[in-house]
Amino acid sequence: KQEVTQIPAALSVPEGENLVLNCSFTDSAIYNLQWFRQDPGKGLTSLLLIQSSQREQTSGRLNASLDKSSGRSTLYIAASQPGDSATYLCAVPQPVTQGGSEKLVFGKGTKLTVNP
Amino acid sequence: EAQVTQNPRYLITVTGKKLTVTCSQNMNHEYMSWYRQDPGLGLRQIYYSMNVEVTDKGDVPEGYKVSRKEKRNFPLILESPSPNQTSLYFCASSPRLAGGLTRNEQFFGPGTRLTVL
Repeated sequence: KQEVTQIPAALSVPEGENLVLNCSFTDSAIYNLQWFRQDPGKGLTSLLLIQSSQREQTSGRLNASLDKSSGRSTLYIAASQPGDSATYLCAVPQPVTQGGSEKLVFGKGTKLTVNP
Repeated sequence: EAQVTQNPRYLITVTGKKLTVTCSQNMNHEYMSWYRQDPGLGLRQIYYSMNVEVTDKGDVPEGYKVSRKEKRNFPLILESPSPNQTSLYFCASSPRLAGGLTRNEQFFGPGTRLTVL
């Protein structure tokens, strides 16, 4: 059964710092990996999608990397801002080895606080 | 604007009173699904639909029903809500590649916070 783990569960940093959020998964037979942002009481906003054949994706100050063989992904946020404060979730579709489907298996998230 | 919408956004109800949470997407996506999010448990899939008239159970389907009569709509029905269904509910959609070995990005609605007293 695919399990997704995110470490740390919470992170507090001063404004301007570069930071890395970690995501690991147990079954490397994934189609892709998606990073989301969730603001308190709000929905999930898709940040980046990395297909299994890719090693990284970039969007603005965000860079996500994927290492399938080691079962890891990182989300790098450059020059953090208070507006980046949110919970960041990573998710992978159910693996090919388990029938494969569009169901997403989520980590429990990293709650990021960027202090002014 | 491409989006997934849910209604209502907030709902407080009482045990046993049937309710429906609507979900609609304007992106012509084949795949739609429902998740619930609970503290400490994360997001879990309730039901999903591969296309019109095709639905199947997710990980936590008990106490829920769905229907997919139109491509754009995927309502979640609670026939007899109970307090353990108090949760934050999300609808999601994505295009589905026929026979593909890749999967597409999924888009989520804003969430419906349900409280069952």
